Amino acid sequence: QQQVKQSPQSLIVQKGGIPIINCAYENTAFDYFPWYQQFPGKGPALLIAIRPDVSEKKEGRFTISFNKSAKQFSLHIMDSQPGDSATYFCAASIPDKLIFGTGTRLQVFP
Amino acid sequence: ETGVTQSPTHLIKTRGQQVTLRCSSQSGHNTVSWYQQALGQGPQFIFQYYREEENGRGNFPPRFSGLQFPNYSSELNVNALELDDSALYLCASSLRTSGYNEQFFGPGTRLTVL
Repeated sequence: QQQVKQSPQSLIVQKGGIPIINCAYENTAFDYFPWYQQFPGKGPALLIAIRPDVSEKKEGRFTISFNKSAKQFSLHIMDSQPGDSATYFCAASIPDKLIFGTGTRLQVFP
Repeated sequence: ETGVTQSPTHLIKTRGQQVTLRCSSQSGHNTVSWYQQALGQGPQFIFQYYREEENGRGNFPPRFSGLQFPNYSSELNVNALELDDSALYLCASSLRTSGYNEQFFGPGTRLTVL
């Protein structure tokens, strides 16, 4: 019940495309949903986060959509760039303990 | 503002040995969490330290232990190393407040157990 399911496992888009990464959870006690970006050999870096009482949050080219009733949330990357090529993890917090999804490897080609 | 730092960067040990990993939290943060990230997987929560005491633990055996010092830095100790302990070990620091406390990760220590 404390799992966070993430899909797809990998994603390939061309520059300018809008990759979408989806996550689903079961535990309604989760109170915060961050997304992390990780480059090879580096630790995860916080990208954007949302609380369950908000349906959408936008920061720059990154948007989280949150559907509380469906227990699903997703990350959209607008106008994707080759520099966005990285592994993206969704996570859920219960409290201060982060449960991570399995990750999505995104490749953006010029 | 100084970010989260970890040492060493890489470490090679043999099965049965013991290892100590170190983490310095970001300036102003008082809470440290440790995660294990196996290759190709998401990080898994090991435990969290606040005010020098363990404050929550994931599904890891007792041979994984930790410490937090008065300056909020932390150590992760793993005894009786097993091959499956090979992973990237991540430290994350945060400032405990009344709401959600965003966690900021260090670069990790890559542990290889032979």
